[in-house]
Amino acid sequence: EAGVVQSPRYKIIEKKQPVAFWCNPISGHNTLYWYRQNLGQGPELLIRYENEEAVDDSQLPKDRFSAERLKGVDSTLKIQPAELGDSAVYLCASSLGQMNTEAFFGQGTRLTVV
Amino acid sequence: GEDVEQSLFLSVREGDSSVINCTYTDSSSTYLYWYKQEPGAGLQLLTYIFSNMDMKQDQRLTVLLNKKDKHLSLRIADTQTGDSAIYFCAERRGTDKLIFGTGTRLQVFP
Repeated sequence: EAGVVQSPRYKIIEKKQPVAFWCNPISGHNTLYWYRQNLGQGPELLIRYENEEAVDDSQLPKDRFSAERLKGVDSTLKIQPAELGDSAVYLCASSLGQMNTEAFFGQGTRLTVV
Repeated sequence: GEDVEQSLFLSVREGDSSVINCTYTDSSSTYLYWYKQEPGAGLQLLTYIFSNMDMKQDQRLTVLLNKKDKHLSLRIADTQTGDSAIYFCAERRGTDKLIFGTGTRLQVFP
């Protein structure tokens, strides 16, 4: 069974440019998460979806970040415009959505803003 | 992570036991987790413990939970070079929010 797939693996952009990340969760997983992991730190939740509904986006910087999950399957995370401080690894994870169900993580997208 | 603390580094000799420690702050957390992250990879769930348990053992892994002190530890028996990675503890707050620690880099030398 395929795991959580993210693309691209790496992205280098200039500041003020837009960037988008894509995530394909495990089939049948209703819950999808986007995390940001800064260098030397643990992941921090940006947004959580239950099916197509964003149920927790309190940590998402809404002035420049946006996300969508069309049809409750794939998801995209966008940054526009990117800033130097956005350089990080962006991780997507999915789970069945029930209490304590394991969250499976993708390999992440490493974003470098120059 | 917010308020979940871990030591940054641990170095052990191959074959010895490793103990990675974590302190958390939310006494209402229901589950506590240990994740492993290898270079360039996502996070892999190693084990978890329910908050009403004191200990959980899974092959070479032993998790100890001191709920009174909000202290969690992961013991890896017979540590191997393949165990070298960053280990994150995480607590579940509310229905489905994971708060991660800063991670402990484990280095295993021969």
